[in-house]
Amino acid sequence: ELKVEQNPLFLSMQEGKNYTIYCNYSTTSDRLYWYRQDPGKSLESLFVLLSNGAVKQEGRLMASLDTKARLSTLHITAAVHDLSATYFCAVGGAGGATNKLIFGTGTLLAVQP
Amino acid sequence: DVKVTQSSRYLVKRTGEKVFLECVQDMDHENMFWYRQDPGLGLRLIYFSYDVKMKEKGDIPEGYSVSREKKERFSLILESASTNQTSMYLCASSRLAGAYNEQFFGPGTRLTVL
Repeated sequence: ELKVEQNPLFLSMQEGKNYTIYCNYSTTSDRLYWYRQDPGKSLESLFVLLSNGAVKQEGRLMASLDTKARLSTLHITAAVHDLSATYFCAVGGAGGATNKLIFGTGTLLAVQP
Repeated sequence: DVKVTQSSRYLVKRTGEKVFLECVQDMDHENMFWYRQDPGLGLRLIYFSYDVKMKEKGDIPEGYSVSREKKERFSLILESASTNQTSMYLCASSRLAGAYNEQFFGPGTRLTVL
């Protein structure tokens, strides 16, 4: 059974600092997703990672995937208040067209001025 | 602009009532999903559908049913609502296959069962 663990669950950062959110998963998968959720809003897709060593960057966020270690990271560089949100990773089952996803519990990021 | 819409943002129902949550997508996606989101538990899959009239159970189907009569519409039904079904319900859709195949989410329905 595929399980996805995120840590930390809560992260309070100061503006300008760097930090990393970790996403571990338990079985082989061919795709990993990162989503952002603002309070009271729905989930917005940030990154899709499809292969070992994949790295994607958008602004101050960079996501990477190590399929051998079953680990993805979301790195935040020089955090700003606008990045405050909950971040979810989600892992797709190996193969299969229906794209069922298993979500981590989320990391609540609070960037303090 | 891709869009998934849900019929209500907030809903308050009484125990024992039959509840319908509607989801519509305009992207011609084959897959549609219903999740519930609870603090500390992330998103949990209730049901999904990969084609009209086709459905499969997710991880927590008990107490729920679904209906997909048209490709663009996927309904979640609570046959007899209970207080432990108070939650945020999120609908999503995706293509059947493709390199990225990401799920697009609706705004959510916050359901309170009294």
